[in-house]
Amino acid sequence: EIVLTQSPATLCLSPGERATLSCRASQSVSSSLGWYQQKPGQAPRLLIYDASNRATGIPARFSGSGSGTDFTLTISSLEPEDFAVYYCQQRSNWPITFGQGTRLEIK
Amino acid sequence: QLQPQESGPGLVKPSETLSLTCTVSGGSVSSSSYYWGWIRQPPGEGLEWIGSIYNSGNTYYNPSLKSRVTISVDTSKNQFSLELNSVTAADTAVYFCARRPAMVVPRYYYDYWGQGTLVTVSP
Repeated sequence: EIVLTQSPATLCLSPGERATLSCRASQSVSSSLGWYQQKPGQAPRLLIYDASNRATGIPARFSGSGSGTDFTLTISSLEPEDFAVYYCQQRSNWPITFGQGTRLEIK
Repeated sequence: QLQPQESGPGLVKPSETLSLTCTVSGGSVSSSSYYWGWIRQPPGEGLEWIGSIYNSGNTYYNPSLKSRVTISVDTSKNQFSLELNSVTAADTAVYFCARRPAMVVPRYYYDYWGQGTLVTVSP
């Protein structure tokens, strides 16, 4: 199965700052990678699909990039509601796999 | 607005079978346009895909769980279900049901999720 490794494990930033989260795949997934946001006690919410496409209703400050094995989720200017855990997920190969998550905390 | 909702026992004994149901409102589980799946999350940990069902009969399971998992659909009740047998403490998790489009964007990503239900495996 494809292993997704996210970094950093924890990212401490202030509102208004730019956040850059990384996801690396153990083998190429082409552009078949998505990003989810999860807040405590809630289900994950799809943010980005196929590496760079924003899901319905997702603000423009969220953007995704990358292909092959290296992917990035960027939040251009952090809002208070953006502090959460972020997961990447690949759909290229069975089984579907998720990264272990990056926790975005308020500095 | 599509809304999946998980239900089932919150406590299961070791070696027994975990059974959960996902009731879908605002959409049809018999639609060939969507996969319906289960994902779990142990307390404080990440997400693990369990499996999914498509077109009311085609099932796909995580190889790590395949020998213990069954996912089925009841179209008359607009529900799909998860059975996980021979459970151990390692199966303690929040279990989510969710929808994954098969033909339209965001194709093959989970776009609607239930709120999740905690299942604890304990004597």
